[in-house]
Order: sequence, then structure tokens, then C-alpha cells
Amino acid sequence: GAVVSQHPSWVICKSGTSVKIECRSLDFQATTMFWYRQFPKQSLMLMATSNEGSKATYEQGVEKDKFLINHASLTLSTLTVTSAHPEDSSFYICSAREGGGTDTQYFGPGTRLTVL
Amino acid sequence: AQSVTQLGSHVSVSEGALVLLRCNYSSSVPPYLFWYVQYPNQGLQLLLKYTSAATLVKGINGFEAEFKKSETSFHLTKPSAHMSDAAEYFCAVSREAQKLVFGQGTRLTINP
Repeated sequence: GAVVSQHPSWVICKSGTSVKIECRSLDFQATTMFWYRQFPKQSLMLMATSNEGSKATYEQGVEKDKFLINHASLTLSTLTVTSAHPEDSSFYICSAREGGGTDTQYFGPGTRLTVL
Repeated sequence: AQSVTQLGSHVSVSEGALVLLRCNYSSSVPPYLFWYVQYPNQGLQLLLKYTSAATLVKGINGFEAEFKKSETSFHLTKPSAHMSDAAEYFCAVSREAQKLVFGQGTRLTINP
């Protein structure tokens, strides 16, 4: 089946620093990838849609200057949390959409971000 | 607008018993519906999906779900629960631009 990886799986950083999270589709090409945020014991909240070769589209309320998304190739999207603060601590999950018209998204294992 | 409601944030069953996780959807167009499972500190794994073919969908790990348009439901079932089924389960419906709308999740606990 389709495999999506994320790196790193967890990261701890100081307040004010920036953190980059990578999302890769390992065995298929993904023109569209999605970034989600999940708080403890809650559902996934879509942050943005990442389209290869174009600007990401952000959901309402998500700061595009804080959460920078780059989708430079058909297998890689990156999320950079800029000037991170403790309230940015969360579980970040990416997904990649497989083509074929069935809207199936395959999810990465997630990245646990802790900002001190 | 598409939305999903999962009835019951926590379901507890005995090992070997029937598992039933409820999901109702709201959609203005014929929906694509999904069930995902999430184990602690992991991403989501696709269990099964409905894409307007057969109304009874079989997934992995012995799970299946039935699409009932008249009831706007897509409940997930498994005849006999196993300890390894303990996890968080999410129902989702697709919306515009291939985006997914998730339900709030149901935590399944299996009692020995």
C-alpha cells in the first residue's frame, strides 16, 4: 500500500526557534499533500493544503506566515513552524493524496513538537 | 457543507464481542466516506472507504462498514473484538478539493 513518512518523529525546541517537518510519499507521487494538527484527545484539524509547484492554501484561522509550507516535488512537502512558541506544541500529521479520483489520503506517522 | 458526527466518544466491549462504532454524515453531494484507526502517538491508518460502489465495504483487520443513504450513516463493525483493536477510530467524509472532514473520534477499549 501507499506509504507516507515524516521526519522527525519528535522534536523539542526552544521558544523563538524555527522547526522544519518533512513529509514524503515513498511509493507514489502526490500532487496534493495535507497538513493537520492534533491536540491531545482531539480530532485532526486541517491546517493547509499543499500543492506541488504552487502556493499552499490555508484554512481559516491558520497563520500562513507562521506555518510555512513548501511542496517542491511530487514526493516531498515541508512544514516550517517559524518562531515557535509553547502554544505551538502539538502533534503534526501530514497526508498525501493518491490519485484515481477516490480522494484517499494516506497519513504519515506524525511529528510530536514540544516547544519549551 | 459536509460534516461527520461520531456517536460516543468512548466505547468499551469485551474481547470476542461485537464492535459497533457509529458515524452519521451530512453531505450535499454523494459522499466518499472513510474510517481510519489511530494507535497512540501514531498517524492514521486507512481501515476502509466507501466510494459509491458496493454499500457494504470490507476493510482490513476484519472490519466492515455499511453505507445507508436513508439513514445517512456509515457505521463500523467487527464481529469479534480483539485486544489489538484498542485504539482511536475516526470517521471522515470528503469535501471540496479532496479535503477530509473528520468526526471527533471514538476511543475503543477492549476488556479481557
